[in-house]
Amino acid sequence: AQSVTQPDIHITVSEGASLELRCNYSYGATPYLFWYVQSPGQGLQLLLKYFSGDTLVQGIKGFEAEFKRSQSSFNLRKPSVHWSDAAEYFCAVGAFGSARQLTFGSGTQLTVLP
Amino acid sequence: EAGVAQSPRYKIIEKRQSVAFWCNPISGHATLYWYQQILGQGPKLLIQFQNNGVVDDSQLPKDRFSAERLKGVDSTLKIQPAKLEDSAVYLCASSTPTAPNTEAFFGQGTRLTVV
Repeated sequence: AQSVTQPDIHITVSEGASLELRCNYSYGATPYLFWYVQSPGQGLQLLLKYFSGDTLVQGIKGFEAEFKRSQSSFNLRKPSVHWSDAAEYFCAVGAFGSARQLTFGSGTQLTVLP
Repeated sequence: EAGVAQSPRYKIIEKRQSVAFWCNPISGHATLYWYQQILGQGPKLLIQFQNNGVVDDSQLPKDRFSAERLKGVDSTLKIQPAKLEDSAVYLCASSTPTAPNTEAFFGQGTRLTVV
């Protein structure tokens, strides 16, 4: 069975600083990987996804993530954080085939200081 | 394109009462999912439908939870009777299984509080 670990429960950064959110996954085949963002009272918005090909994936809002098979990681990065990026971030691994399902990590809460 | 619609947005009930949530997926999306998100955790899949058939309900507590998608479009998730530990956000998502490299789209969720 697949699993996702987000080791950082809460991260605080200053506005304008760089950001890296960690994600490690466990999956028996080539994973399909996602990062979602959730603002208070809102649903999940997809930031970016990896299915195959280039291991550096660009997403919305200036985010990017890099798939590293050797480390079973899919870390999310942003070079300069904006106050509006404060939210909870979820990494997820997808199982495809007959059942397209997502297994989510427990999330990382991002606080942005002015 | 309209997104995944869910109602109600919020619901407060007493334990042992029943409750139902409704979801209308994106038009044309054959696959529909219900997730449960307990505070401080990531969403956990409860059930997956393909059209009006159940693909996976292995994590659905069937003694109290039920879900249906009778016409293969909108879906209802029911809890009867509710327990305190059912307090969570219930997220509905949909996807199109035939298009390659597509993701699931999520609704805003229904926040259930059981008191």
